[in-house]
Amino acid sequence: AQSVTQLGSHVSVSEGALVLLRCNYSSSVPPYLFWYVQYPNQGLQLLLKYTSAATLVKGINGFEAEFKKSETSFHLTKPSAHMSDAAEYFCAVTPLKGGSQGNLIFGKGTKLSVKP
Amino acid sequence: DTGVSQNPRHKITKRGQNVTFRCDPISEHNRLYWYRQTLGQGPEFLTYFQNEAQLEKSRLLSDRFSAERPKGSFSTLEIQRTEQGDSAMYLCASSPRGQGVVSEQFFGPGTRLTVL
Repeated sequence: AQSVTQLGSHVSVSEGALVLLRCNYSSSVPPYLFWYVQYPNQGLQLLLKYTSAATLVKGINGFEAEFKKSETSFHLTKPSAHMSDAAEYFCAVTPLKGGSQGNLIFGKGTKLSVKP
Repeated sequence: DTGVSQNPRHKITKRGQNVTFRCDPISEHNRLYWYRQTLGQGPEFLTYFQNEAQLEKSRLLSDRFSAERPKGSFSTLEIQRTEQGDSAMYLCASSPRGQGVVSEQFFGPGTRLTVL
């Protein structure tokens, strides 16, 4: 069975500081991994995805994530936080194989606050 | 706007009443997903359609829940005899035919259900 663990339900950073949101996955088969962002009263928006190509994935809004198989991790980073990055971030996994129809399995989310 | 739309955005109902939500996916997207998100949790998969066929249902989808997608276009999710535990945000997502599970899922803004 696949699962995702996001360490830290709340993360607070200062504007201009490094953003690091942690995600660890569990999967018995090679996974696809995703990061989504959810702004208040809006739907989830895809930031980036890992599909077994390059292990360092670049997404929108300056975010990137690195797939580390040995650590079963897919942490999200951004070198310099902006006030507009304040939102909730979700890591999600879906297996490459095993009959899945692409159903996403989400972590509990990490709420990012950015202080001026 | 040609994104995924959901109606209504908010629904307040009394316990025991039936409710129905509608999702209009992005046109030409043949895959449609329903998720449920409760406070402090990530979205949880409920069910999945490919065109008009409902191909997968989660164990979360009790007998009181039913979903349809006539003609492979919009979809409805009905909850009968609502319970307070049904209070949640119901999210709809659609994705185009793609390379297996790689296709991005585009989410609607959700319908927030409150059962009194």
